[in-house]
Amino acid sequence: DTAVSQTPKYLVTQMGNDKSIKCEQNLGHDTMYWYKQDSKKFLKIMFSYNNKELIINETVPNRFSPKSPDKAHLNLHINSLELGDSAVYFCASSPGLAGGQETQYFGPGTRLLVL
Amino acid sequence: GEDVEQSLFLSVREGDSSVINCTYTDSSSTYLYWYKQEPGAGLQLLTYIFSNMDMKQDQRLTVLLNKKDKHLSLRIADTQTGDSAIYFCAEYPQTGANNLFFGTGTRLTVIP
Repeated sequence: DTAVSQTPKYLVTQMGNDKSIKCEQNLGHDTMYWYKQDSKKFLKIMFSYNNKELIINETVPNRFSPKSPDKAHLNLHINSLELGDSAVYFCASSPGLAGGQETQYFGPGTRLLVL
Repeated sequence: GEDVEQSLFLSVREGDSSVINCTYTDSSSTYLYWYKQEPGAGLQLLTYIFSNMDMKQDQRLTVLLNKKDKHLSLRIADTQTGDSAIYFCAEYPQTGANNLFFGTGTRLTVIP
């Protein structure tokens, strides 16, 4: 069974559109994350959620908004898509916030292409 | 922010050992990780090491940690073509935000 799943796997859309990427984990973890991997393979944290509360938010444009209906899901909604948003977006989860000894498990990634 | 550096490319012949190096900046990092990303795939955790350890071995993988120099390495013995991938080291700093900081990734190419 897939531990961390993301949908869709691929997303091609026009500039200016609004889109959502969904993430679900069946591990019973308390914390979920969104990372962005650009074309040069650099991975950067975007958000993390713990028990439905946003606990970090790096310098991400407010066009990006994470939404967590319950602790097993963390969706990423993007408004007014721009060309520079093209990237691979990875969802991850970890058991809690005990600090590093809790391994993060990654989803397969969503490849977003904005035309 | 944190700075985690890696060489971008490494090529080895099948059967040889591969050594992938990483330097990090936060000396208070408690855990350091190695992740593998195969083409078109997600990130797979390979191994991790706690900061009070110098070495950790797991089958063909050996992780060495030099905390004084803030240097981490991953050695893959008897490298196979299936090991071709991008390898990311990541640190979990004690200070600051509760997330992993990833290196730039090292693309390992195994030549048959």
